Amino acid sequence: KAGVTQTPRYLIKTRGQQVTLSCSPISGHRSVSWYQQTPGQGLQFLFEYFSETQRNKGNFPGRFSGRQFSNSRSEMNVSTLELGDSALYLCASSLGSGAGELFFGEGSRLTVL
Amino acid sequence: TQLLEQSPQFLSIQEGENLTVYCNSSSVFSSLQWYRQEPGEGPVLLVTVVTGGEVKKLKRLTFQFGDARKDSSLHITAAQPGDTGLYLCAVLLYNQGGKLIFGQGTELSVKP
Repeated sequence: KAGVTQTPRYLIKTRGQQVTLSCSPISGHRSVSWYQQTPGQGLQFLFEYFSETQRNKGNFPGRFSGRQFSNSRSEMNVSTLELGDSALYLCASSLGSGAGELFFGEGSRLTVL
Repeated sequence: TQLLEQSPQFLSIQEGENLTVYCNSSSVFSSLQWYRQEPGEGPVLLVTVVTGGEVKKLKRLTFQFGDARKDSSLHITAAQPGDTGLYLCAVLLYNQGGKLIFGQGTELSVKP
């Protein structure tokens, strides 16, 4: 079956702009979570959505937001971009039962200039 | 303070050598996962260990969960260039949905 699909794969923005990233989970998976990966901080949890509800949130400022649609597809948005937001943003999907394997997409690499 | 401390951070070895990566914590976990991430891709689950003292083998990779379920190790025998990648340990906080907490990772380079 198709894996987790993230778009766009690469994007370049300038400071102050906003960006929206998209994630299509594996068919049948109801949980989508987002992670930020940087060389300095590693992989850090942003938030998780299950059945269109945010179930968990990491320690990121309010500029980072997300949502999930009825078909389980998810988007995350970062407003007022800062240089430090440059990172690989990874989406992972799971069945959502609270246990088991997370399946990751290839990520969206954001560069903020 | 990191919940999971991985060591070493970087490892560069020759093909055929053995290596061990460690993942330590002061907390007790019900389970622990190991992922491998190759350049340009997302992490892929290698194994989940759930029982203290458990040993799991995946071809040349041996994973062990500490008796007290606070630490884990990954041992690779006769490393191959195809083993190159970022190895991450992680714990899934079951009471917080899909929140996965990762260690900083071990960047492994195996040279032919």
